[in-house]
Amino acid sequence: QKEVEQDPGPLSVPEGAIVSLNCTYSNSAFQYFMWYRQYSRKGPELLMYTYSSGNKEDGRFTAQVDKSSKYISLFIRDSQPSDSATYLCAMDNYGQNFVFGPGTRLSVLP
Amino acid sequence: DGGITQSPKYLFRKEGQNVTLSCEQNLNHDAMYWYRQDPGQGLRLIYYSQIVNDFQKGDIAEGYSVSREKKESFPLTVTSAQKNPTAFYLCASRTDRYQPQHFGDGTRLSIL
Repeated sequence: QKEVEQDPGPLSVPEGAIVSLNCTYSNSAFQYFMWYRQYSRKGPELLMYTYSSGNKEDGRFTAQVDKSSKYISLFIRDSQPSDSATYLCAMDNYGQNFVFGPGTRLSVLP
Repeated sequence: DGGITQSPKYLFRKEGQNVTLSCEQNLNHDAMYWYRQDPGQGLRLIYYSQIVNDFQKGDIAEGYSVSREKKESFPLTVTSAQKNPTAFYLCASRTDRYQPQHFGDGTRLSIL
């Protein structure tokens, strides 16, 4: 079993849709959780990070963490064509083991 | 502007040649990292450094070497021993182990 699994995609949605991106993990030692957005031929850009279970909102983005189920999600409301990118989840147990998911490619169609 | 600068953006390697990828940061971060990204495989850790003059192997260090002589610089050398070097290489840094990593814009390495 891989340490972090992510919906493989690719995912195509119409502009304005709500997008749900998901990752599951197996290591209960992970303490904080991140979502990165990566445009083609660019480095990953940190979108959100959270240390606790529950929801964290930032504009159109909501990160959700359920440590008991080892499941994290990123929701994008009112999706825009500029949201078209690959989304990477990542998690860390304070420097001992920083792990990335393989990424989900999202296309938002105008 | 603070950030992480990787150069060059594109690099070509001939058979038997060593090449060096540059990574410079002006964020005053202690820790720096090198990753390799291949399609569909996510990021794999090559080397990391928590402090100047110290570095550790990651999951796929064979065929690579690094140095950390200055806090702001962490160059990666892809040696001729790396038989499949074609990939997108990403450098990252962070303040400490309680903070997320931030990335440069990568170097794409190809074989001639």
